[in-house]
Amino acid sequence: DAGITQSPRYKITETGRQVTLMCHQTWSHSYMFWYRQDLGHGLRLIYYSAAADITDKGEVPDGYVVSRSKTENFPLTLESATRSQTSVYFCASRQTSGAETQYFGPGTRLLVL
Amino acid sequence: DAKTTQPPSMDCAEGRAANLPCNHSTISGNEYVYWYRQIHSQGPQYIIHGLKNNETNEMASLIITEDRKSSTLILPHATLRDTAVYYCIVGRGRDDKIIFGKGTRLHILP
Repeated sequence: DAGITQSPRYKITETGRQVTLMCHQTWSHSYMFWYRQDLGHGLRLIYYSAAADITDKGEVPDGYVVSRSKTENFPLTLESATRSQTSVYFCASRQTSGAETQYFGPGTRLLVL
Repeated sequence: DAKTTQPPSMDCAEGRAANLPCNHSTISGNEYVYWYRQIHSQGPQYIIHGLKNNETNEMASLIITEDRKSSTLILPHATLRDTAVYYCIVGRGRDDKIIFGKGTRLHILP
């Protein structure tokens, strides 16, 4: 039972490059989320998706693009990475109904040089 | 913005009960109180949630005041492994998204 996985776990890139962070869940949860976490800011929601082909902006969406062609995958793309996007990125998922319990992945640590 | 207020940090002696407070004075009648924690370098982990009644599970107890404007998470016998940042969140069960505040950094002292 893999649950929710993220890849890569660590990534170093350069300013201006495109980077895609992958998120995969095995529960068939409808909702999926992307957060970033920086010192002094806690967890901030970037984008979320209520179902395949349905996505919506969170608190800090600028500079990011998401897609959800399959229920189990929710990739996050930085089309032109900037140093301010250096952060730890967490993916999460939850069921459609009932309690709002989210299950988080292990995180991807991204360094933009 | 987060709808909750928590102290930025707390200390607790190992083996004692850790009581983490949370204020949510603007909570609506249909909003739940959720607690998550994040151990260093890991993804957040769900702990417990409640609406009106006090709740208990294998990890913790949640005490919600009668007016629902505040709550307390209780870790009955804190261990060093409970050192983490604890987030109190309010939201409806069917909300699309939840907002994390800055949480409380709990230090368990040996």
